[in-house]
Amino acid sequence: GAVVSQHPSRVICKSGTSVKIECRSLDFQATTMFWYRQFPKKSLMLMATSNEGSKATYEQGVEKDKFLINHASLTLSTLTVTSAHPEDSSFYICSARDLGGRGYTFGSGTRLTVV
Amino acid sequence: SQQGEEDPQALSIQEGENATMNCSYKTSINNLQWYRQNSGRGLVHLILIRSNEREKHSGRLRVTLDTSKKSSSLLITASRAADTASYFCATDVYYNTDKLIFGTGTRLQVFP
Repeated sequence: GAVVSQHPSRVICKSGTSVKIECRSLDFQATTMFWYRQFPKKSLMLMATSNEGSKATYEQGVEKDKFLINHASLTLSTLTVTSAHPEDSSFYICSARDLGGRGYTFGSGTRLTVV
Repeated sequence: SQQGEEDPQALSIQEGENATMNCSYKTSINNLQWYRQNSGRGLVHLILIRSNEREKHSGRLRVTLDTSKKSSSLLITASRAADTASYFCATDVYYNTDKLIFGTGTRLQVFP
């Protein structure tokens, strides 16, 4: 079945630094990828929709300059948390929509801790 | 923004019992999906029900959809300790087919 690889699974960084999270579709092409954020014991909040070759569409309240999204190819989207602060600590999950209509496939998530 | 509200927020049952989770949503949908998430992990797709379907089964899972009430339910029969997880409904909203919006989730605990 469709597989999405998300890397890294865990990252700890210092305040003020930037962190890049990668999301790859391994065996299918995904023109659209999605980035979610999840706080402990809470649901997934959609942050942005990433379309290959074009600018990402951000949900209301999500800072574009803070969360940079790049979708340079049909199999890779990246989320960069810039100038990270402790309040950015969260679980980030990506998802890819299969062109073949097999639905949404989710990555295993990245636990970001900013100290 | 979140589309769905789920209840209960938390549910504790004994092995062998059935677990029912409910989801209500706000706008027209193409389909509704249920996902499972073990603590700190990614999501596992359980089942998808289309807007023109009313009921669907998959193993011990039974999902219903009532579009007039904008609600869905997930029933897990003969629960097992391994079913302990959070369960989320997610709607593929009608006005934008490329967006999956999640409900608030139900944390299920199944005691051996």
